[in-house]
Amino acid sequence: EADIYQTPRYLVIGTGKKITLECSQTMGHDKMYWYQQDPGMELHLIHYSYGVNSTEKGDLSSESTVSRIRTEHFPLTLESARPSHTSQYLCASSPQGESTEAFFGQGTRLTVV
Amino acid sequence: GQNIDQPTEMTATEGAIVQINCTYQTSGFNGLFWYQQHAGEAPTFLSYNVLDGLEEKGRFSSFLSRSKGYSYLLLKELQMKDSASYLCAVMDSNYQLIWGAGTKLIIKP
Repeated sequence: EADIYQTPRYLVIGTGKKITLECSQTMGHDKMYWYQQDPGMELHLIHYSYGVNSTEKGDLSSESTVSRIRTEHFPLTLESARPSHTSQYLCASSPQGESTEAFFGQGTRLTVV
Repeated sequence: GQNIDQPTEMTATEGAIVQINCTYQTSGFNGLFWYQQHAGEAPTFLSYNVLDGLEEKGRFSSFLSRSKGYSYLLLKELQMKDSASYLCAVMDSNYQLIWGAGTKLIIKP
């Protein structure tokens, strides 16, 4: 069983609030990812990291930021939540290597009202 | 642009066999993954193909044809617990995963 954890599992928050979604993994994986997924839709890459102090933007990164100060921790911050941010946010990690499987956290379901 | 196509939904009967197809057009190819995702849960890894041919793992098999940009996931002896979405993902030339929207598989008794 994968050891990757996301908190909170569910969050309802008002428009304009700043929020941070937490993701931690205990597998020592160098690569970590944040995805956004709406029901019945594909995963969209928001941000990714290949190691400490390394962060890159994905397709949907413009309204969020990430940091990677420690290998095990990869938080995602929305500076000003909007109803369009309502979605499921999935964190994943994978070991070093070019074609390795990703392990996913249980996700955070965010609702912005 | 990059594109992954899968059927939106399929229905099959318990005990039967079902094949879920995936076609892709990506900038480069470094392998194809299949994941299973139960409603409200995280995706879990099923299989990985990088060379042409069939990979078998218990009741599940995955096939790849790189020249055709085509893969399928074959599920045998279907069980009710196999009701889930099945996601096809291709790793492109930058080693980024491109995801399909998933195929929702409904198993009927």
